[in-house]
Amino acid sequence: QQPVQSPQAVILREGEDAVINCSSSKALYSVHWYRQKHGEAPVFLMILLKGGEQKGHDKISASFNEKKQQSSLYLTASQLSYSGTYFCGTEKSDSWGKLQFGAGTQVVVTP
Amino acid sequence: DAGITQSPRYKITETGRQVTLMCHQTWSHSYMFWYRQDLGHGLRLIYYSAAADITDKGEVPDGYVVSRSKTENFPLTLESATRSQTSVYFCASMLRPGELFFGEGSRLTVL
Repeated sequence: QQPVQSPQAVILREGEDAVINCSSSKALYSVHWYRQKHGEAPVFLMILLKGGEQKGHDKISASFNEKKQQSSLYLTASQLSYSGTYFCGTEKSDSWGKLQFGAGTQVVVTP
Repeated sequence: DAGITQSPRYKITETGRQVTLMCHQTWSHSYMFWYRQDLGHGLRLIYYSAAADITDKGEVPDGYVVSRSKTENFPLTLESATRSQTSVYFCASMLRPGELFFGEGSRLTVL
């Protein structure tokens, strides 16, 4: 079953912050985050393994709450280059390498 | 150049015809994947391969066939194309647990 992402879309002004959530009904081994620009391939941002660690990529960070099977992606002080669609991909321990992706969250950063 | 390449990038075909999408990677990654991307569904896994001659079904395998006789190639065949298979298809590879590297995508239209 596909993880659920929220919100579906968000519009930000440069410098503003946003949070994207990714929830699963299944026990997860890891959560991946990808960003896709229009007409391009998805690009890897980060992976979080179970254990509740938090990671960062530039001013984009993420956390993984193993108890809630939920991950959150934090866009801090957003830049124009952050625009795109963000996907979370979840991996179960018995399905190594096989990611199930959420429907995506479209992020638009305006000047 | 090293990387993962897909061909054709664009294809228009008719219902009932056989279509093969090619995927070639130069990294010698063990794992390769085929995803389809449709609006509102994100990326859905069609098939994946853990190594040459080892393939397995993903979430939406019906109507598709794959093979992997060589590590670097992972073609996807639609045996008898249907309109519901109109989509953007992404091939991806992975060396070990972690980052998926996506090709640029093949946009297929079935009339």
